[in-house]
Amino acid sequence: DAGVTQSPTHLIKTRGQQVTLRCSPKSGHDTVSWYQQALGQGPQFIFQYYEEEERQRGNFPDRFSGHQFPNYSSELNVNALLLGDSALYLCASSPDRGRYEQYFGPGTRLTVT
Amino acid sequence: KQEVTQIPAALSVPEGENLVLNCSFTDSAIYNLQWFRQDPGKGLTSLLLIQSSQREQTSGRLNASLDKSSGRSTLYIAASQPGDSATYLCAVRRADRGSTLGRLYFGRGTQLTVWP
Repeated sequence: DAGVTQSPTHLIKTRGQQVTLRCSPKSGHDTVSWYQQALGQGPQFIFQYYEEEERQRGNFPDRFSGHQFPNYSSELNVNALLLGDSALYLCASSPDRGRYEQYFGPGTRLTVT
Repeated sequence: KQEVTQIPAALSVPEGENLVLNCSFTDSAIYNLQWFRQDPGKGLTSLLLIQSSQREQTSGRLNASLDKSSGRSTLYIAASQPGDSATYLCAVRRADRGSTLGRLYFGRGTQLTVWP
């Protein structure tokens, strides 16, 4: 059973560009959350998807948007990239509306130049 | 707003020592607490999950305790090994009343180095 997978592994973008990150949850999991982790910091919650709808959102601007597909996979989109968006982006999945243990993917390292 | 603090920020010990990592949180209305391990540049590996009704959980050389009323959790690592070197993160899930649970509030972590 594959765990949580994310793509791509690394990404380099220029300020002002747009980026899409992808996540496939662990088999049997219906809830996907996205986190941003800056260097030396703990992960910060971006948003959570369940039943293809955004259910919770952290303190992130509207430049950050997402989507969940019928197969529970998810995308994170960031528009108008800023240097400060450089971070490790982590996807986490869990079953039953996020009630139980969360499993994290390996992350996507985004560098904005 | 839930705030999570981890002490110490960094710890360097010789192999074989027993360790205690501390985590505190400001809002005691939590659903559960999870300890993670993170290797440099990698994702998070879940170590232990403690439900709010539990006092402790054990897995191998790891033992985590939870005192919800005082807003504290402790991760105890017995007989530390160089392979334990990593950053250890504590995260709490609040007892939200929304349609989904799962938002985690993280501390900054404790960076552990175990030398031979």
